[in-house]
Amino acid sequence: GQQVMQIPQYQHVQEGEDFTTYCNSSTTLSNIQWYKQRPGGHPVFLIQLVKSGEVKKQKRLTFQFGEAKKNSSLHITATQTTDVGTYFCAGDDPGSGGTYKYIFGTGTRLKVLA
Amino acid sequence: KAGVTQTPRYLIKTRGQQVTLSCSPISGHRSVSWYQQTPGQGLQFLFEYFSETQRNKGNFPGRFSGRQFSNSRSEMNVSTLELGDSALYLCASSVTDRAAGGYTFGSGTRLTVV
Repeated sequence: GQQVMQIPQYQHVQEGEDFTTYCNSSTTLSNIQWYKQRPGGHPVFLIQLVKSGEVKKQKRLTFQFGEAKKNSSLHITATQTTDVGTYFCAGDDPGSGGTYKYIFGTGTRLKVLA
Repeated sequence: KAGVTQTPRYLIKTRGQQVTLSCSPISGHRSVSWYQQTPGQGLQFLFEYFSETQRNKGNFPGRFSGRQFSNSRSEMNVSTLELGDSALYLCASSVTDRAAGGYTFGSGTRLTVV
C-alpha cells in the first residue's frame, strides 16, 4: 500500500539554526498538506501544495512540492523555541476505482535548544 | 467560530468493554475523519464520513466502526476493547471531502484500556 515516509525522524537544533524535513511518497499525490503538532496538542494545518514544483512561504517556513509530486520538503530558517513540535506531511493518493486514501507521513519531531 | 469538539477528553476502559467517542465538526464542515495516534504507529486513518456516508476506511478490524448524523456530528465505536487500542483518537473536519483546504483537528480523546 501507499507509504509516506519522513526524514529525519528526530532533529535537535540550536536556536537560530535552520531545519529541513523531507516527505517521500511511494505513489504520486494529487496534493500535499503540512501540519504541526505541538507536544501534548493536536495537528494544526499549515499549508497545502497542489501544483508540481510549487513553492510557498510562510514567514520563516518554506514549503516545496516536488516536480513528480511524490515528495515535498519543509524548511525553517533560523529556528525559534516556538517551532518545537512534530511536523507531518499528508497526501491525497488518487488511488483507483474512484476511491482515495489520505495518508499522513511518519512525522519529524523537532526540538530546539535555546 | 467554535472548533472541532471531541468528547470525552479522557477515557479509561477495561479490556473487553466497548466505547463510543463523539465528534462535533466546525459548523458548515460536512466531512469528518477519524485517526488513531500512537507513539509507535503515528497517525493511522480510520475512516472518513461525508454527508452521512462512509467514503473510505482504513485498515482496522471490524471492531472499529463509525457513523455520521444529518447534522454532521460523528461517532466512532470500538467494541471488545484490547490493550492495543490505547491511543489518542483524533477527529478532523473539513468543508468538503478529500481534506480540501486542510483538516481542522479536535483535541482528541485519549483512551486507555486496562
